[in-house]
Amino acid sequence: IAGITQAPTSQILAAGRRMTLRCTQDMRHNAMYWYRQDLGLGLRLIHYSNTAGTTGKGEVPDGYSVSRANTDDFPLTLASAVPSQTSVYFCASSAGGDSATEAFFGQGTRLTVV
Amino acid sequence: GQNIDQPTEMTATEGAIVQINCTYQTSGFNGLFWYQQHAGEAPTFLSYNVLDGLEEKGRFSSFLSRSKGYSYLLLKELQMKDSASYLCAVRDSNYQLIWGAGTKLIIKP
Repeated sequence: IAGITQAPTSQILAAGRRMTLRCTQDMRHNAMYWYRQDLGLGLRLIHYSNTAGTTGKGEVPDGYSVSRANTDDFPLTLASAVPSQTSVYFCASSAGGDSATEAFFGQGTRLTVV
Repeated sequence: GQNIDQPTEMTATEGAIVQINCTYQTSGFNGLFWYQQHAGEAPTFLSYNVLDGLEEKGRFSSFLSRSKGYSYLLLKELQMKDSASYLCAVRDSNYQLIWGAGTKLIIKP
């Protein structure tokens, strides 16, 4: 693994089903983020984690949950998918805090809820 | 509320220069980032400004004026591969990134 990896790359999901999007980084970054990207709206923060063991809500957290059991992994779970959750999901990581370093992004998960 | 404004779309000619503007209103300021995103791909980092002035990196430069809440990304000697979306993001007082919707840049031969 080099950098940040997401799985799956794409998924078609029936409404009402539960789904976990996986995200793993090997850069030992403290901070990790989940964004969704919809046409014309830019990246919107769903949840974040500033360090292992802590999580926080972003701009659009409803319907999503996260956990951060260790530094490397930051899974995003949709408890009961709805069509409005159709989007491209990006996981990102950064050194965190007041660091001047940038965020690195995974390749994205394209999710379609039908 | 917090807001980042960028033009939705711009068109430029191969070999020319283009300036993409970004204005922001955020709760606090801890740096401004520019990212490039090709269609169907992840955003990749281009530049970072935290102090006023110009940061140059090869064909790309980024300018910041904190008093005006304004930044621009300048791309010189445009190449076809520069066709992409360019995202402006500001890190607020909580060190969270606030993102603009992005500017789609179309390069014509």
